[in-house]
Amino acid sequence: DTEVTQTPKHLVMGMTNKKSLKCEQHMGHRAMYWYKQKAKKPPELMFVYSYEKLSINESVPSRFSPECPNSSLLNLHLHALQPEDSALYLCASSQDPVENYGYTFGSGTRLTVV
Amino acid sequence: SQQGEEDPQALSIQEGENATMNCSYKTSINNLQWYRQNSGRGLVHLILIRSNEREKHSGRLRVTLDTSKKSSSLLITASRAADTASYFCATDALPNAGGTSYGKLTFGQGTILTVHP
Repeated sequence: DTEVTQTPKHLVMGMTNKKSLKCEQHMGHRAMYWYKQKAKKPPELMFVYSYEKLSINESVPSRFSPECPNSSLLNLHLHALQPEDSALYLCASSQDPVENYGYTFGSGTRLTVV
Repeated sequence: SQQGEEDPQALSIQEGENATMNCSYKTSINNLQWYRQNSGRGLVHLILIRSNEREKHSGRLRVTLDTSKKSSSLLITASRAADTASYFCATDALPNAGGTSYGKLTFGQGTILTVHP
């Protein structure tokens, strides 16, 4: 299995809702990442998990809460989002955060906040 | 912040022609990577070049790296309509003194390539 699977593919949520994005990989990768991408812009790093521990938080607002239950799963919990948070959320993984051979990206969750 | 700047922002060519995209960056790097993104989809890793390498090939792709100029280029030879996509360079910075920047891949602004059949 050489894929990163993200669910759901599309999500529409209200500003008072709580929802979660899920990401799964079975490649034995020990680093996992969340990126946010606005239309016609490059991906922007949000969080890095290294060996299931949060190693980088790029000053992301607390309404985004990451979780890494085990080495194969990565969640992003969403609460009280704003319309400007609407974007494509991309999960990625790599073998190791130090020895980088390239990232494998999922196809993303397109989030719309209404 | 995005440290990579790419040019051109958009490139339109005919099938069979070569496409060259350039990337400049600001800080010292461990490696530089190129990714492709089809419209609204995930990114696909194309090639990685390490800071001690100057040129790398993969199929129709050729990547060069000039660390003295902090720049890289991606050449796609004999382009096909299926190569139509956005192309991003991404830099893997050297770790800081605390070692906390491992895994911090930073993307350039991207080049939109359109290949006409």
